[in-house]
Amino acid sequence: DAGVIQSPRHEVTEMGQEVTLRCKPISGHDYLFWYRQTMMRGLELLIYFNNNVPIDDSGMPEDRFSAKMPNASFSTLKIQPSEPRDSAVYFCASSKDRVYGGELFFGEGSRLTVL
Amino acid sequence: AQSVAQPEDQVNVAEGNPLTVKCTYSVSGNPYLFWYVQYPNRGLQFLLKYITGDNLVKGSYGFEAEFNKSQTSFHLKKPSALVSDSALYFCAVRGRRNSGNTPLVFGKGTRLSVIA
Repeated sequence: DAGVIQSPRHEVTEMGQEVTLRCKPISGHDYLFWYRQTMMRGLELLIYFNNNVPIDDSGMPEDRFSAKMPNASFSTLKIQPSEPRDSAVYFCASSKDRVYGGELFFGEGSRLTVL
Repeated sequence: AQSVAQPEDQVNVAEGNPLTVKCTYSVSGNPYLFWYVQYPNRGLQFLLKYITGDNLVKGSYGFEAEFNKSQTSFHLKKPSALVSDSALYFCAVRGRRNSGNTPLVFGKGTRLSVIA
């Protein structure tokens, strides 16, 4: 069974450009999470979905960030316009059975560099 | 509010020696506790979890962790460290009472370096 798939693995862009990160969760998982990892702030939860519905987006840093999950097998995280401080590794993770302590399965991450 | 503390940014240990990576937590009610490992340029990988039952939990790659309710700790241990164990380790917690609507809270991570 394939794990969580993220694309692109690396993205280098210039300030002001739009960035779209993509995620395919593990089939059958009903929770999807977007995290951001930086040296300074560690691992931060941005937003999470349950059954394709956003549950908590309080971690989204600004209105420049948006996330969608149009179906159970696909999610996007969009930054428009991007800024140098958005440079980070963005992880997508999925899980099921959260009530019973289901663990998260992480993708390999998308490393974003904004020049 | 839930929180996790990993008091050490870095742990150095000689190969073959036992290792401990510390974690303390704060939640309302009983906790679900997790350890994850991250190798360079990779995503986080699940190591082990405590849900209920035996306080000593065994996980992948020979790691284990002990849940101590009175000290609100969940330290990660391994009897004999390998150079290949060198990585970034994250502790995470979720409060049982709020499991239906509260995601995992991660610590800041501890970098383990095993020296040959």
